[in-house]
Amino acid sequence: DTEVTQTPKHLVMGMTNKKSLKCEQHMGHRAMYWYKQKAKKPPELMFVYSYEKLSINESVPSRFSPECPNSSLLNLHLHALQPEDSALYLCASSQDSSEQFFGPGTRLTVL
Amino acid sequence: GEDVEQSLFLSVREGDSSVINCTYTDSSSTYLYWYKQEPGAGLQLLTYIFSNMDMKQDQRLTVLLNKKDKHLSLRIADTQTGDSAIYFCAESRNARGYQKVTFGIGTKLQVIP
Repeated sequence: DTEVTQTPKHLVMGMTNKKSLKCEQHMGHRAMYWYKQKAKKPPELMFVYSYEKLSINESVPSRFSPECPNSSLLNLHLHALQPEDSALYLCASSQDSSEQFFGPGTRLTVL
Repeated sequence: GEDVEQSLFLSVREGDSSVINCTYTDSSSTYLYWYKQEPGAGLQLLTYIFSNMDMKQDQRLTVLLNKKDKHLSLRIADTQTGDSAIYFCAESRNARGYQKVTFGIGTKLQVIP
């Protein structure tokens, strides 16, 4: 199983809503990542978890809150987002220093 | 800091070869990647090369790495319309238990039937 899955595929939310994005992998990878990708741009790293501990937070606003409940799951909790947060949110995983595999992404629209 | 550069656009005829070029600056890169992204989709890892290799071939794909010039290329033989997508070059270096990846801006490949 070389797959990273993400749910939901699409999400529309208002600026006062609270929602969560989910990511799952069963490859035994111990590093998991959240990226944000705007249209016609490369992915930008948001967070890195290594062995279920937050290793990197790329100065992401606190309205984005990551969580790693176990080694297979990664969540991104969203609260009080702005329209400019609309983007494709990509999850990835890697086994330590090996290649990164990406999920299909969640297309988020903030109204 | 790390920087990855690639051209924005490439147009080829179906059946021809495509060559997408990329340059990077980080001499401590461990992996160099090519990812493919179709409209509305996530990133598909096409191929990658270790920084101590100079060539890798995988079916229609050939990756060439010139480490001295920090130049990476992806050649797609017999390009098909299904190859139309954005191709991201990326380099990574090892951090403590994870990879720090830097992406290029992406090259849009248009295949003309």
